[in-house]
Amino acid sequence: SQQGEEDPQALSIQEGENATMNCSYKTSINNLQWYRQNSGRGLVHLILIRSNEREKHSGRLRVTLDTSKKSSSLLITASRAADTASYFCATGGTGGFKTIFGAGTRLFVKA
Amino acid sequence: DTEVTQTPKHLVMGMTNKKSLKCEQHMGHRAMYWYKQKAKKPPELMFVYSYEKLSINESVPSRFSPECPNSSLLNLHLHALQPEDSALYLCASSHPGLAGANLDEQFFGPGTRLTVL
Repeated sequence: SQQGEEDPQALSIQEGENATMNCSYKTSINNLQWYRQNSGRGLVHLILIRSNEREKHSGRLRVTLDTSKKSSSLLITASRAADTASYFCATGGTGGFKTIFGAGTRLFVKA
Repeated sequence: DTEVTQTPKHLVMGMTNKKSLKCEQHMGHRAMYWYKQKAKKPPELMFVYSYEKLSINESVPSRFSPECPNSSLLNLHLHALQPEDSALYLCASSHPGLAGANLDEQFFGPGTRLTVL
């Protein structure tokens, strides 16, 4: 099965609320990345956290990484309608270029 | 220039056609990737080129043939495709790390929406 699994699969919230998405993976990683994809478009890189980091912030984004549990979470604070998109975690293995994407969380922010 | 461009945006082809997808970046990245993405699914890695050499081929059928003519260009040649090959094809690039691993973010192009009739 896939390296990265995400939950929830879909999330619907009101504008201004926080959104939390989780990602689990199976093998050792170099880093874990989060990407956003608007409908049918290319992916946009949001944030990268390395395996020796536990938490990282970027604007309204907060990512945590727990390598002992092989899991990560993405928190988007004060969500906006423009945050409506699919969010994917992606893991880079320790051995090379192979990047595996999780199933994704579809976020819908209602104005 | 922090952009990855892909052409064409849309492509419709028959099962007997031969076509090519093109990808270009001018960020000096030496790793380039092809992904296939079906609707409501995550991108699936197809090929990786590192320093213009094929580094990863994820058991992709031979009807897909990648080519990296130089450090800025990546092509995907298509021949005798099947309707199930219809998908969004994404190109990406990144800096390769020291030991040949991907340690950095990948920059994605907007994709080519491929329909095989």
